[in-house]
Amino acid sequence: DAGVIQSPRHEVTEMGQEVTLRCKPISGHDYLFWYRQTMMRGLELLIYFNNNVPIDDSGMPEDRFSAKMPNASFSTLKIQPSEPRDSAVYFCASSFRGVGNQPQHFGDGTRLSIL
Amino acid sequence: GENVEQHPSTLSVQEGDSAVIKCTYSDSASNYFPWYKQELGKRPQLIIDIRSNVGEKKDQRIAVTLNKTAKHFSLHITETQPEDSAVYFCAASEEDNTNAGKSTFGDGTTLTVKP
Repeated sequence: DAGVIQSPRHEVTEMGQEVTLRCKPISGHDYLFWYRQTMMRGLELLIYFNNNVPIDDSGMPEDRFSAKMPNASFSTLKIQPSEPRDSAVYFCASSFRGVGNQPQHFGDGTRLSIL
Repeated sequence: GENVEQHPSTLSVQEGDSAVIKCTYSDSASNYFPWYKQELGKRPQLIIDIRSNVGEKKDQRIAVTLNKTAKHFSLHITETQPEDSAVYFCAASEEDNTNAGKSTFGDGTTLTVKP
């Protein structure tokens, strides 16, 4: 299996621009998570989906952030408009519910820089 | 909701010594406890996990112990090597409620192994 695939790996854009991050989970996994990682705030859960349905979006910082999962193999995280404080590494992770919870598999992340 | 505290935030040991990282959790319903290792610039990856029906689990130089009564669990690394240098995250999750699948992460421990 190719693992969780994220794109782009790096994104540099100017403040005010729309940013779209993409994620393809591992086939067969029914949970998908979006995290943001910074030195100051550590690893923060932004939102997670179960069977393509958003379950908990309480970690989404504000209305500028939105996430969708139109099907089992694709999810997006959008920031519009972007701000310098959004600069961080964004990770997507997926897992499945087997006999009890299973570990999360992380993608390689998107390193986002907002100038 | 669940709250996970992790200590210490930084740990420096001499190669060959042991390292211990401790986590406490607040929700007695949590019953799955994974540990992740994140090397610099890389993604978090599972190194070991434990479920509430066991008190200890070992995998070569790594072991995890769980005390459900006290609500704490620990990661033990023996005979540390420079390649063990990384950030380690503990996490806790419940399997039987609306938050099933979601893990709450600790803030991470930066382990440095000096040659």
